[in-house]
Amino acid sequence: GNSVTQMEGPVTLSEEAFLTINCTYTATGYPSLFWYVQYPGEGLQLLLKATKADDKGSNKGFEATYRKETTSFHLEKGSVQVSDSAVYFCALSEVGGSYIPTFGRGTSLIVHP
Amino acid sequence: DGGITQSPKYLFRKEGQNVTLSCEQNLNHDAMYWYRQDPGQGLRLIYYSQIVNDFQKGDIAEGYSVSREKKESFPLTVTSAQKNPTAFYLCASSIDPGYSGNTIYFGEGSWLTVV
Repeated sequence: GNSVTQMEGPVTLSEEAFLTINCTYTATGYPSLFWYVQYPGEGLQLLLKATKADDKGSNKGFEATYRKETTSFHLEKGSVQVSDSAVYFCALSEVGGSYIPTFGRGTSLIVHP
Repeated sequence: DGGITQSPKYLFRKEGQNVTLSCEQNLNHDAMYWYRQDPGQGLRLIYYSQIVNDFQKGDIAEGYSVSREKKESFPLTVTSAQKNPTAFYLCASSIDPGYSGNTIYFGEGSWLTVV
């Protein structure tokens, strides 16, 4: 079946540091890949997505590239801010088997001033 | 504004009680979902529905029930059979269950605590 593996958190950074959160996936076909963000006490919201290999999703300074050869979709940001502190979820969705999204466990990011 | 409304935000359940969490969406989405979130375990799918009057069990459906009598509504009942219901519950929806690239839209969540 499908699965998503994210790096363990929490990730703790100082403001303006470079961020990478690793995400790898297992899928039987050609999934779409997503990053969602959850701020404390709230629901999840879409951060970015990519629907085919080599696509790059980007939003609010965050980027992730769909790498089919390494089955990865790592999240990056060049300079994090305190307001980026949240939990980040990698997810995939695939038609054919089931379209139901599969989520990773989430990675907590803490940014200090 | 379009979105997903969950209520109540906080709910306390006594042992042996059934409680119902409300989820309403005005996005005209076909598919709706319920997830449970526990610390360190990410999201686990409880039930989902692709169309009105149809729903399917997810990974952890035991002790839960749902209905989908209207397109915009997908309430979740946590029954007394659910032995460890304390968690954060998230309702979500997406426009077309047949397209893998669809964004999932989430409500603000409901906290359920057993007292």
